[in-house]
Amino acid sequence: DGGITQSPKYLFRKEGQNVTLSCEQNLNHDAMYWYRQDPGQGLRLIYYSQIVNDFQKGDIAEGYSVSREKKESFPLTVTSAQKNPTAFYLCASLPSASGAGTEAFFGQGTRLTVV
Amino acid sequence: AQKITQTQPGMFVQEKEAVTLDCTYDTSDPSYGLFWYKQPSSGEMIFLIYQGSYDQQNATEGRYSLNFQKARKSANLVISASQLGDSAMYFCAMREGQIDTGRRALTFGSGTRLQVQP
Repeated sequence: DGGITQSPKYLFRKEGQNVTLSCEQNLNHDAMYWYRQDPGQGLRLIYYSQIVNDFQKGDIAEGYSVSREKKESFPLTVTSAQKNPTAFYLCASLPSASGAGTEAFFGQGTRLTVV
Repeated sequence: AQKITQTQPGMFVQEKEAVTLDCTYDTSDPSYGLFWYKQPSSGEMIFLIYQGSYDQQNATEGRYSLNFQKARKSANLVISASQLGDSAMYFCAMREGQIDTGRRALTFGSGTRLQVQP
């Protein structure tokens, strides 16, 4: 079955550590996105990539980094510079050449907690 | 300014009744899409329904319908015959087709938590 796989489901980070969240898709989608969700809030865009080897900052990119070396993979690193990393992280993808009406597909999410 | 506004943090509905979840949006783009997603406690985002800015008729998908009032910039979700499994967070989202062609990202509202009571 095609879909988006995020791992791990739960992640614990110590203060000052970098951690990497995995996002893999087998939908052959060109565009991939990382969103952050805080309690009682909607999703906010961290980074996005429309094509391999290219990515752009979203609305809240500070303290995060990404790479897009393969079409299928878009890992997110939460660095020690991110002051409040505890949140739920969702990865999404979108087919290429899609218009305004194309639904985005989401992974199951990773819940990151700083301990 | 908020692009997507959901003014109901929480809603209760009796099983088998209908419920309306409010969503207003703000854009100057003539081409946009409006989406509703359901997020159960497990966290995944489940696509429910889509309405395009040029669509003449309100979208429907099974028990879900979208009350689209373009002049008022509202896109309310109506769930008919509520079921216990409908208890979840519901998010309204928008994608702008011309202004935001580079990102093509969805902009989300803050969500409404719906609880269906037996």
